[in-house]
Amino acid sequence: NAGVTQTPKFRILKIGQSMTLQCTQDMNHNYMYWYRQDPGMGLKLIYYSVGAGITDKGEVPNGYNVSRSTTEDFPLRLELAAPSQTSVYFCASSYQIGTGRGNEQFFGPGTRLTVL
Amino acid sequence: AQSVTQPDIHITVSEGASLELRCNYSYGATPYLFWYVQSPGQGLQLLLKYFSGDTLVQGIKGFEAEFKRSQSSFNLRKPSVHWSDAAEYFCAVEGITGGGNKLTFGTGTQLKVEL
Repeated sequence: NAGVTQTPKFRILKIGQSMTLQCTQDMNHNYMYWYRQDPGMGLKLIYYSVGAGITDKGEVPNGYNVSRSTTEDFPLRLELAAPSQTSVYFCASSYQIGTGRGNEQFFGPGTRLTVL
Repeated sequence: AQSVTQPDIHITVSEGASLELRCNYSYGATPYLFWYVQSPGQGLQLLLKYFSGDTLVQGIKGFEAEFKRSQSSFNLRKPSVHWSDAAEYFCAVEGITGGGNKLTFGTGTQLKVEL
């Protein structure tokens, strides 16, 4: 199993450009997440999905969009890149049955994005 | 809303010395608590978790953590640190709001190991 994979690893965008960060997991996990990590701030949840076709906002969703058409893929879209979106982005997945808690989240290696 | 505080931004220890990383949480009900480690340039990996039972939990790589409800703490410990333990460590608490097990992370503690 490759686990959670993310592409690209690095990207530089100009202000106003758009891009999609790709995330794929091969563990048949139903839950998927997008986080951003800024220095000294820990990880903040952007969006999450509890299954194909179902997504919801996290703590910092502004400026981002997501979709989940398959169990495996959970792309994150930046429509109009801004310097404030310079960050490291992590995708994660977990398997949850019903309202079960305490499930491990598996993280991808991250995408380092710079907006200039 | 839940929150996590990691009061130490950086910690330096000598190889072979013991380690304790502090974590304090705020959560209204029984907390589900996690410690994750992030090696340079990598994603996060789960070290251990606590949600019930014995308050001293064992994890991977020789780490353990103790849950103390009276102090709202979940400190991570290791008896003897190895140079490969140099990494950033995150404490997290799981909350449920509107569905899904969502983690709230602390700001992290950067561990440096001196040889």
